[in-house]
Amino acid sequence: DQQVKQNSPSLSVQEGRISILNCDYTNSMFDYFLWYKKYPAEGPTFLISISSIKDKNEDGRFTVFLNKSAKHLSLHIVPSQPGDSAVYFCAASEGGATNKLIFGTGTLLAVQP
Amino acid sequence: GAVVSQHPSWVICKSGTSVKIECRSLDFQATTMFWYRQFPKQSLMLMATSNEGSKATYEQGVEKDKFLINHASLTLSTLTVTSAHPEDSSFYICSANSGQFGQYFGPGTRLTVT
Repeated sequence: DQQVKQNSPSLSVQEGRISILNCDYTNSMFDYFLWYKKYPAEGPTFLISISSIKDKNEDGRFTVFLNKSAKHLSLHIVPSQPGDSAVYFCAASEGGATNKLIFGTGTLLAVQP
Repeated sequence: GAVVSQHPSWVICKSGTSVKIECRSLDFQATTMFWYRQFPKQSLMLMATSNEGSKATYEQGVEKDKFLINHASLTLSTLTVTSAHPEDSSFYICSANSGQFGQYFGPGTRLTVT
């Protein structure tokens, strides 16, 4: 049973435009959510996180939105750059960032120059 | 930032042999480390939680006798794949818990069993 899902396996965006990556979860006990960027044969790189007590967190070009009632979160990247091209995973945990993470299925983002 | 290393980065072994993968936190102590595996074009699946000085906690469906985890010190956890088979070929990634700053991931180890 996939508790964290990313329904779009891929997304293509023009450079300079906004990239929106979506993530849905089913476990209402999740209280901390993270986004990671990953290249093949490398470990994930942390991008941004959000606690369930918030509905928005912003860090530079990256903003994460959380809609608890819908069990949905999204990552906005503005403006998108070719270097952003990678696979993006959302992850969720119960009890904060130091607990085990359940990863989503990933979305391959391609930013076209 | 905190650094987590894995060794080896790539290993090929013959079916039936055992392989050990090391995960080290280089500049911080980690009482808890996690082991994940990723098949091609799939998600990262949590295998087990490794706690320093105690037995690892395995996720449902992960054979603890096949994937031996030892967390002997605050900076080192090892994953041993025993009697490896081709279906164990995968990308294995560890993460180390740095406390309030969350988890840091290693670069991963690609295991190919022939």
